[in-house]
Amino acid sequence: DTGVSQNPRHKITKRGQNVTFRCDPISEHNRLYWYRQTLGQGPEFLTYFQNEAQLEKSRLLSDRFSAERPKGSFSTLEIQRTEQGDSAMYLCASSFSGRGDEKLFFGSGTQLSVL
Amino acid sequence: AQTVTQSQPEMSVQEAETVTLSCTYDTSESDYYLFWYKQPPSRQMILVIRQEAYKQQNATENRFSVNFQKAAKSFSLKISDSQLGDAAMYFCASSSGYALNFGKGTSLLVTP
Repeated sequence: DTGVSQNPRHKITKRGQNVTFRCDPISEHNRLYWYRQTLGQGPEFLTYFQNEAQLEKSRLLSDRFSAERPKGSFSTLEIQRTEQGDSAMYLCASSFSGRGDEKLFFGSGTQLSVL
Repeated sequence: AQTVTQSQPEMSVQEAETVTLSCTYDTSESDYYLFWYKQPPSRQMILVIRQEAYKQQNATENRFSVNFQKAAKSFSLKISDSQLGDAAMYFCASSSGYALNFGKGTSLLVTP
């Protein structure tokens, strides 16, 4: 068990560019979550996958954001036409099944800075 | 919408002493779970303790325990025998379906 891995750790981009982040969950975990954390705030839920199916999306996930989890393994989060307000840390978490009480394992996040 | 409120932006405790972090929440759900997460400078969120709302008994994990007051919608975290490694941001969270709602966090400083 190597934990949840996120790449890159830091990303600096110019406004208007597209960026993509990757998350590799713990191998046997069937659930994968994306959260966003801005300075001085707690993480905010973005979206959730069970296996390859995206089952829940927050209103925070505008149409510039798209997430995928092909084959129910790793996941990517893409932001198109980045804006300065997208600057935040993007956290990925995974878990195995459960009823909403399962233990989430978080990665160390990708820090995005939009200039 | 569910809200989680942590009214203490920063707390300080001396090594080996006890500190309590406060959290209140608001939910319309009858079945839910409550959590405390720790976020050290490495940024990785680590689960400290969790409480099932239908259980009256307060959860305990070694030096960490909670005081769960369901009627008051209060869920405080007590850290006993504080250690330097406990210094971190602490986030209270409640479950809403498969999402967690987090508070703004409390920064805990531990002094020698």
